[in-house]
Amino acid sequence: KAGVTQTPRYLIKTRGQQVTLSCSPISGHRSVSWYQQTPGQGLQFLFEYFSETQRNKGNFPGRFSGRQFSNSRSEMNVSTLELGDSALYLCASSLTGKPGFDNEQFFGPGTRLTVL
Amino acid sequence: DQQVKQNSPSLSVQEGRISILNCDYTNSMFDYFLWYKKYPAEGPTFLISISSIKDKNEDGRFTVFLNKSAKHLSLHIVPSQPGDSAVYFCAASALVTYKYIFGTGTRLKVLA
Repeated sequence: KAGVTQTPRYLIKTRGQQVTLSCSPISGHRSVSWYQQTPGQGLQFLFEYFSETQRNKGNFPGRFSGRQFSNSRSEMNVSTLELGDSALYLCASSLTGKPGFDNEQFFGPGTRLTVL
Repeated sequence: DQQVKQNSPSLSVQEGRISILNCDYTNSMFDYFLWYKKYPAEGPTFLISISSIKDKNEDGRFTVFLNKSAKHLSLHIVPSQPGDSAVYFCAASALVTYKYIFGTGTRLKVLA
């Protein structure tokens, strides 16, 4: 079974631009979560989607948005990029998104975003 | 407000010895806890989990202990191997939510 895939793997943008990142979950997984990882901050939860609905959102400004398609694939968008948005963006999928045994999150390799 | 804390940014252990990684949490609503391992240029990989109804869970060389009264969990790796060298994240969740709160990670280095 193929793992979680994220595209692109690396991205360089300039301040003020916008960016869209893509995530394809493991086949059969309907929940997709997004995280931002920066040095010293660990993984910060961005949002979680299930059946095209956002069920939970982290403490990020409205410039960060996401969506999920009917095939469970997800995208996140960051508008008006700032230097502080430089980070590794990780996507994770699970069967239902509800924490519990046999429903763990599987992570993709991440997209490294650099904002100049 | 960091609800999940890993106060040791790094840890070095000799091969064959025990590695103990610690994690503290503040939210008493958390009732499910996990440990992930992360190598450079890869996403985190699930290691082991524990629910609040248990105080210990084992999987091979990995054991997680949960002390609910102290709001503390730890991951024991015995024996430690050089391939265990990675960043370890603990994470916590409340079963009624759909999000995990991660700690900042501990970089483990196992010396051969």
